[in-house]
Amino acid sequence: EVQLLESGGGLVQPGGSLRLSCAASGFTFTSYGMSWVRQAPGKGLEWVSGISDSGDSTYCAESVKGRFTISRDNSKNTLYLEMNSLRAEDTAVYYCAKGQSSSGRQQRFDCWGQGTLVTVSS
Amino acid sequence: EIVLTQSPGTLSLSPGERATLSCRASQSVSSNYLAWYQQNPGQAPRLLIYVASSRATGIPDRFSGSGSGTEFTLTISRLEPEDFAVYYCQQYGSSPLTFGGGTKVEIK
Repeated sequence: EVQLLESGGGLVQPGGSLRLSCAASGFTFTSYGMSWVRQAPGKGLEWVSGISDSGDSTYCAESVKGRFTISRDNSKNTLYLEMNSLRAEDTAVYYCAKGQSSSGRQQRFDCWGQGTLVTVSS
Repeated sequence: EIVLTQSPGTLSLSPGERATLSCRASQSVSSNYLAWYQQNPGQAPRLLIYVASSRATGIPDRFSGSGSGTEFTLTISRLEPEDFAVYYCQQYGSSPLTFGGGTKVEIK
């Protein structure tokens, strides 16, 4: 069974940093691109960042460019999102999502984690 | 960036009725790389349809997708109680990936 388990969310002050992790199991992690998708409270879905199967190619939304960094450790089957200079508008549930191909860019998502809540507030 | 506009915002229907949801793109979606997701309250989204009209694994055949270019439709032929949820379209033909604002299907 494919499973994605996010961790690392919490309350952080504006300007602070946080690192999210997503532990993957039940599939060949090294064969698929992965992404982070977020959902602000009561709002819709927003793609944040994607990474190819090898980790060589990464992509991110303009709203987080220069502040967030996606990475993966294929030896640990784990996806990461390093978030710096956090703002109130980054408050959201962050989902780890598995792509259906090796690409980090042209992805549709066939499996999602349960999400981890990030709250940016003083 | 491709903007996806979903309509209506809310659809009020009864179980057994047919639901028709629309997703309009601001420019043509490359290779019809358009997906639909269902999201229930407090849960993660679930992939229903990809490449505009292909059903994902395990999705009942009452769900169907159609369309091309800039106009796409998700149809639920006969609503079951578990189908009352929020539905999102997503394009993955161009970067950045974008989602529509969602359509809520509620019980009338």
